[in-house]
Amino acid sequence: DTAVSQTPKYLVTQMGNDKSIKCEQNLGHDTMYWYKQDSKKFLKIMFSYNNKELIINETVPNRFSPKSPDKAHLNLHINSLELGDSAVYFCASSQGQAGGYTFGSGTRLTVV
Amino acid sequence: AQSVAQPEDQVNVAEGNPLTVKCTYSVSGNPYLFWYVQYPNRGLQFLLKYITGDNLVKGSYGFEAEFNKSQTSFHLKKPSALVSDSALYFCAVRGHTDKLIFGTGTRLQVFP
Repeated sequence: DTAVSQTPKYLVTQMGNDKSIKCEQNLGHDTMYWYKQDSKKFLKIMFSYNNKELIINETVPNRFSPKSPDKAHLNLHINSLELGDSAVYFCASSQGQAGGYTFGSGTRLTVV
Repeated sequence: AQSVAQPEDQVNVAEGNPLTVKCTYSVSGNPYLFWYVQYPNRGLQFLLKYITGDNLVKGSYGFEAEFNKSQTSFHLKKPSALVSDSALYFCAVRGHTDKLIFGTGTRLQVFP
């Protein structure tokens, strides 16, 4: 069973559209995250949720809205997509301060 | 503020030779340090972590890392490189916040 699964794996869409990426973890972790990896492979945290509560919200445009219906799911909705949103988005989960993160396989978003 | 530096964009090594991928960090308090590997078009895979205890930590695929508090370093090492080790390696640090901050990545190229 996949520990952290993201859908879709690839997403190609036009500028101005709204899209969602879904993430689910079956590890029983309390905390989930969204990271963005740009074309230079830099990884930057976007959001973090702990038990459905938002605890980290980096400087991200408010077109990005995370939603956590329960502690096993963290979805990312993006409104009015822009070319600069093209990137790979990774979901991750962790348990405790010393726990490593388990990452999903990523969603490659291409905005045309 | 937490930060991680990976001073080398790329490390080239011949198969069978030892390899080192460098990482230095800055964090207030005790650091939690991690190494991840990313293969092309894949997610990040956990290699190893340092939380406390022995300064030399062993991880997956024969990798190990040495924590050096005085030099604030956490270099990744392997005694004998394999061509299959070629990938992008990320060092990461987690301090008193819940954020895992990543370095910029080092591309390891192992030549036959």
